[in-house]
Amino acid sequence: ETGVTQSPTHLIKTRGQQVTLRCSSQSGHNTVSWYQQALGQGPQFIFQYYREEENGRGNFPPRFSGLQFPNYSSELNVNALELDDSALYLCASSLGREQDFGPGTRLTVT
Amino acid sequence: AQSVAQPEDQVNVAEGNPLTVKCTYSVSGNPYLFWYVQYPNRGLQFLLKYITGDNLVKGSYGFEAEFNKSQTSFHLKKPSALVSDSALYFCAVSHGTYNDMRFGAGTRLTVKP
Repeated sequence: ETGVTQSPTHLIKTRGQQVTLRCSSQSGHNTVSWYQQALGQGPQFIFQYYREEENGRGNFPPRFSGLQFPNYSSELNVNALELDDSALYLCASSLGREQDFGPGTRLTVT
Repeated sequence: AQSVAQPEDQVNVAEGNPLTVKCTYSVSGNPYLFWYVQYPNRGLQFLLKYITGDNLVKGSYGFEAEFNKSQTSFHLKKPSALVSDSALYFCAVSHGTYNDMRFGAGTRLTVKP
């Protein structure tokens, strides 16, 4: 097990609502990345934060946004939820190239 | 843009036999390559990585991978498979300044007793 934790474990939301997912980094890691893993697919890169600044983004619309805090923990916010947003959301922290992943948050949008 | 491909959705092997899970990559410049394993309802667990140096990389749980630059491949191998190795395996590549990883679609490994 890594030192990366995510909350909540599971979440059910209705289409159009907003959601916030949280991630606590491995101690000493200053970079956090978020990934979306739809059922039966590999993780897709959403964005990355380094020292509280977004420094990379995948092919996701602006309604996916994030924050990184001074203690390097992070939030992923998704507005105007769509059914296709149902997925496992993974957070990963890193200091170098290797990323340590948390257990994920399973989001279901109905 | 960097990408990886895992050409096999499913790999079946008998316990005790060697296993190979294939991965090819596409990236301009030098790649950083990784293998992760995912068990049901769990996050990703790091197995091994290639950054530079020796083309044969040894990782966790007896797994190893061989980096082949001419074939742009990074296949995962294990000399003797265990039933407990049954899981979903992902190959990933990162490149350049940003550390974003691009994952393959995954290969489901089933090891039968």
